[in-house]
Amino acid sequence: AQSVTQPDIHITVSEGASLELRCNYSYGATPYLFWYVQSPGQGLQLLLKYFSGDTLVQGIKGFEAEFKRSQSSFNLRKPSVHWSDAAEYFCAVGAQGSTLGRLYFGRGTQLTVWP
Amino acid sequence: NAGVTQTPKFQVLKTGQSMTLQCAQDMNHNSMYWYRQDPGMGLRLIYYSASEGTTDKGEVPNGYNVSRLNKREFSLRLESAAPSQTSVYFCASSGTRGETQYFGPGTRLLVL
Repeated sequence: AQSVTQPDIHITVSEGASLELRCNYSYGATPYLFWYVQSPGQGLQLLLKYFSGDTLVQGIKGFEAEFKRSQSSFNLRKPSVHWSDAAEYFCAVGAQGSTLGRLYFGRGTQLTVWP
Repeated sequence: NAGVTQTPKFQVLKTGQSMTLQCAQDMNHNSMYWYRQDPGMGLRLIYYSASEGTTDKGEVPNGYNVSRLNKREFSLRLESAAPSQTSVYFCASSGTRGETQYFGPGTRLLVL
């Protein structure tokens, strides 16, 4: 069965510190992988996505993520966190070759940034 | 180019009342989706539509119906609202090959 696990429900970091948000997936097919960000009271905004090719992908706002097939992981990283990065982050997986595009979401990681 | 729009933004219902949540996209996408978001649960798929004229159940379809009115519009109906349907509802759309989903701003629903 398809599933996405985000092991950390809540993470707190200081502004300027580095960040890594974890995501593990279980999927039978070759996956598409996504990270979305949600600010309070807002919809979901795409940060980055992996479809194929280079396993290190760059996204908006200085974020990057690395696809590791052997570990079934797609962790999100940022070298230096800004206060405006405080939000909830969702990892999602979908199937390549699907004509539907159905995604499976993790439960989210809430990021708090201390000044 | 507005992307995905949803109406209303907020709604309060009494138990047993009905309502329809509207969603429209202007990106010429074939696939559209309805999710609900509850604290600590992430997003759960209610219904989806791979193309105009087709709809299918997702993970949590009970208590909901949908209509894919045309390629642009996908509505979600609560026939008899229950407090358990208090949630934030998101509509999304994606292209034919099932790539990136683009989300609307959400509808916050409170059922008393």
